[in-house]
Amino acid sequence: DGGITQSPKYLFRKEGQNVTLSCEQNLNHDAMYWYRQDPGQGLRLIYYSQIVNDFQKGDIAEGYSVSREKKESFPLTVTSAQKNPTAFYLCASSSGTPTSYNEQFFGPGTRLTVL
Amino acid sequence: AQSVTQPDIHITVSEGASLELRCNYSYGATPYLFWYVQSPGQGLQLLLKYFSGDTLVQGIKGFEAEFKRSQSSFNLRKPSVHWSDAAEYFCAVGAGTNFGNEKLTFGTGTRLTIIP
Repeated sequence: DGGITQSPKYLFRKEGQNVTLSCEQNLNHDAMYWYRQDPGQGLRLIYYSQIVNDFQKGDIAEGYSVSREKKESFPLTVTSAQKNPTAFYLCASSSGTPTSYNEQFFGPGTRLTVL
Repeated sequence: AQSVTQPDIHITVSEGASLELRCNYSYGATPYLFWYVQSPGQGLQLLLKYFSGDTLVQGIKGFEAEFKRSQSSFNLRKPSVHWSDAAEYFCAVGAGTNFGNEKLTFGTGTRLTIIP
């Protein structure tokens, strides 16, 4: 089955440590996205990539980094510079075909807790 | 810049009652509009979408939404809710470009509670 996988589902890290969240898709989608979700704030865009080897900052990119070396993969690193990293992180992808412009498909999410 | 407002943070309805969730958007051109649903601790699932054409769109699970350009609204409706509809609902707007893959802007969500 085609879809988006995120791992791990739950992640615990000590304050000051960098941590990398995995996102893989087998939908052959060109674009991939990372969102952060906090209670009462909806989804906020961290980074997005419309094509391999290219990515753009979203609304809350500070303290995060990404790479897009392969079409299927878009890992997110939460660095020690991120002041409040505890949150639910969602990865999404989209194809941009004429019948599905901007429609994004979401992974199951990773809940990061920094202790 | 585009924006989305979901004025209702939390709505409670009785099982079997009708439902309407409000969504207002701000965008200068014709938007692409979406409603997603999220169960606790899960990802988002697309309920329905509007690109162009008929302003009343049908989605999965018996949901529908109506695009009203004059009111900048895209409200979600269901004639009779089921206990399994309890979840959080997000409205989103995207730029209506020819190339797709533009970023979406999401509302803050409406949490739906169903009472027996």
